[in-house]
Amino acid sequence: GESVGLHLPTLSVQEGDNSIINCAYSNSASDYFIWYKQESGKGPQFIIDIRSNMDKRQGQRVTVLLNKTVKHLSLQIAATQPGDSAVYFCAEKRGLGSARQLTFGSGTQLTVLP
Amino acid sequence: NAGVTQTPKFRVLKTGQSMTLLCAQDMNHEYMYWYRQDPGMGLRLIHYSVGEGTTAKGEVPDGYNVSRLKKQNFLLGLESAAPSQTSVYFCASSPRTGAGANVLTFGAGSRLTVL
Repeated sequence: GESVGLHLPTLSVQEGDNSIINCAYSNSASDYFIWYKQESGKGPQFIIDIRSNMDKRQGQRVTVLLNKTVKHLSLQIAATQPGDSAVYFCAEKRGLGSARQLTFGSGTQLTVLP
Repeated sequence: NAGVTQTPKFRVLKTGQSMTLLCAQDMNHEYMYWYRQDPGMGLRLIHYSVGEGTTAKGEVPDGYNVSRLKKQNFLLGLESAAPSQTSVYFCASSPRTGAGANVLTFGAGSRLTVL
């Protein structure tokens, strides 16, 4: 079946370095992608989203890249800080409809080393 | 602004017991959702509601019931709890239209253990 998945379940980076979290999707009909951050003991928190008619979108210290050719999504975090340690989820939405149609990946645990 | 509030935060049940999780949002969102989160798996949609008085099944609805009597509240019920329902439950909400229609606002979660 179709699914959203992550290449690596864990990622460790040095404080100050850039982080790249990857996500693969298999349905070329997906038109919307979103990244969430989940800190320990808390609910997921929206980071950034991107539509399929875009290749790149930037936020504050974060950039999402979408490569539709290889069906790949990445989240880049610049100058990673200790507060960035969390689980990061990507999700995709296929076609028109509400957020209920979001399909979530299993997450990547990002650990920022001092 | 409180956002999405879930109660209780923790609960331990014995097999066969019943309970209700309460979700309240103060953002006037039309849509509300209940997800469960299990280790190594993504969030899975249990039930959702597109407005007061309406509910619909999600991906994993079996063993759960929901009610949306008021726009701001969404209740998740377990009539006869089973160990397979041990999980962390998240409530979320979103507006019906506009730029934020695809963005879910989540509560802090309710950790349920069924013995």
